[in-house]
Amino acid sequence: GAVVSQHPSRVICKSGTSVKIECRSLDFQATTMFWYRQFPKQSLMLMATSNEGSKATYEQGVEKDKFLINHASLTLSTLTVTSAHPEDSSFYICSARDDRTGTEAFFGQGTRLTVV
Amino acid sequence: KQEVTQIPAALSVPEGENLVLNCSFTDSAIYNLQWFRQDPGKGLTSLLLIQSSQREQTSGRLNASLDKSSGRSTLYIAASQPGDSATYLCAPGGGNTPLVFGKGTRLSVIA
Repeated sequence: GAVVSQHPSRVICKSGTSVKIECRSLDFQATTMFWYRQFPKQSLMLMATSNEGSKATYEQGVEKDKFLINHASLTLSTLTVTSAHPEDSSFYICSARDDRTGTEAFFGQGTRLTVV
Repeated sequence: KQEVTQIPAALSVPEGENLVLNCSFTDSAIYNLQWFRQDPGKGLTSLLLIQSSQREQTSGRLNASLDKSSGRSTLYIAASQPGDSATYLCAPGGGNTPLVFGKGTRLSVIA
């Protein structure tokens, strides 16, 4: 199946710093990618929809100035957590569908962010 | 707004048992439904995808059914093994819409 590569898999950063997470579709193009967040023992919650060449669409309650999304190409979306705080510590995971088929959603390996 | 409920929340069974995981969703206007497994601290592995026009899909010991009109899907696991222990998630969606997840069923298969 198609592969979505997400990096880094784990990151520890100091409070107040910024962290960038990359999501790449390795063998397909994806005009749209999705970013989710998962807290321990909770479900995956959609944060935002990333659109190549246009602004991301954020879900209610997600601060767009804190979670910057850039979808620079048809194979790369990045999520930057700015001025990170301990409450931002979570598991972040991206998803993408192949533009040609648009059916099955593929997920990255996820990024465990810990803010100390 | 789509809401997904999975029952049971947790399940512990002895190895070899056949089991059924249930998923219900409120908005039946979906393109497809996917079942995933998630191991602790890991990403999602896609298990099965059922198109909205299909009734079921099979892969090895897994069989998933979909009743779109009633907003229900079930995942049947035959002859469970300890390696099947994980959290199972169902997610209706498809097209350009994001998948919506339930809280999952945490399965533990005891050897």
